[in-house]
Amino acid sequence: EPEVTQTPSHQVTQMGQEVILRCVPISNHLYFYWYRQILGQKVEFLVSFYNNEISEKSEIFDDQFSVERPDGSNFTLKIRSTKLEDSAMYFCASSDSTSYGYTFGSGTRLTVV
Amino acid sequence: DAKTTQPPSMDCAEGRAANLPCNHSTISGNEYVYWYRQIHSQGPQYIIHGLKNNETNEMASLIITEDRKSSTLILPHATLRDTAVYYCIVRVYNQGGKLIFGQGTELSVKP
Repeated sequence: EPEVTQTPSHQVTQMGQEVILRCVPISNHLYFYWYRQILGQKVEFLVSFYNNEISEKSEIFDDQFSVERPDGSNFTLKIRSTKLEDSAMYFCASSDSTSYGYTFGSGTRLTVV
Repeated sequence: DAKTTQPPSMDCAEGRAANLPCNHSTISGNEYVYWYRQIHSQGPQYIIHGLKNNETNEMASLIITEDRKSSTLILPHATLRDTAVYYCIVRVYNQGGKLIFGQGTELSVKP
C-alpha cells in the first residue's frame, strides 16, 4: 500500500536554529498538508498546498514557517527560527482529487532545546 | 464545518464489537462524516466516511441516523491493535480541504 514518508523521524535542534522537515507524498497525489500535534494535545492543521502554492493556512502558520515542493517528489516544511513551543510531532499528509481519505506519514518529532 | 461531540474514553473487550458514538447535530446537508484513528502518536489513519447511507469496509461499519445528527462507528471484532484515539470529523467534501480534529474517543481494548 502506498505510503507517505517523513524524514527524519526525530530531530533535536537548538532554539533559534532553522529546521527543514521532509516528506515524500504518494506519487499520484495532488494535495499536500502539514499538521502538528503538541504532546497531549489535538492534531492541528498548519497548511495545505496545491498546484505549487499554498491553498490554505492556519493562524499557527506565521512568517516563521514556509513550505516548498522543490522537485516532483519532495514536500518540505521549514521553520526559520525555532522556538521552544515549536516542539511537537509534525505530520505530512497527501490526497488525490478523487479519494475521500487522506494518507498521513508517521511523523517527525521535533524537539527544540 | 459542523462541530462533533464524542465521549472522551471507552473500553471494549477483545473480540467484541466496539461501538463508538458521535453527535453532530448541526451537520449540513452537504457535509460528510469521516472517521480517523491515531494509534499511539502515529499519523492519523483514515477509516471510513459517509454522507447519509450506512457504509462498510474492511475495517469498520458506519451507521448514520436518518436525521444525520449522530453516527456510530462499529469495529465488529475489536483486537488489542484497535486501541487508539478515534476521531469523528464532519466536513464538506471539497478537494484539498483541511481536517479539523477534536479530542476524539480514546478506545481501550482489553483482553
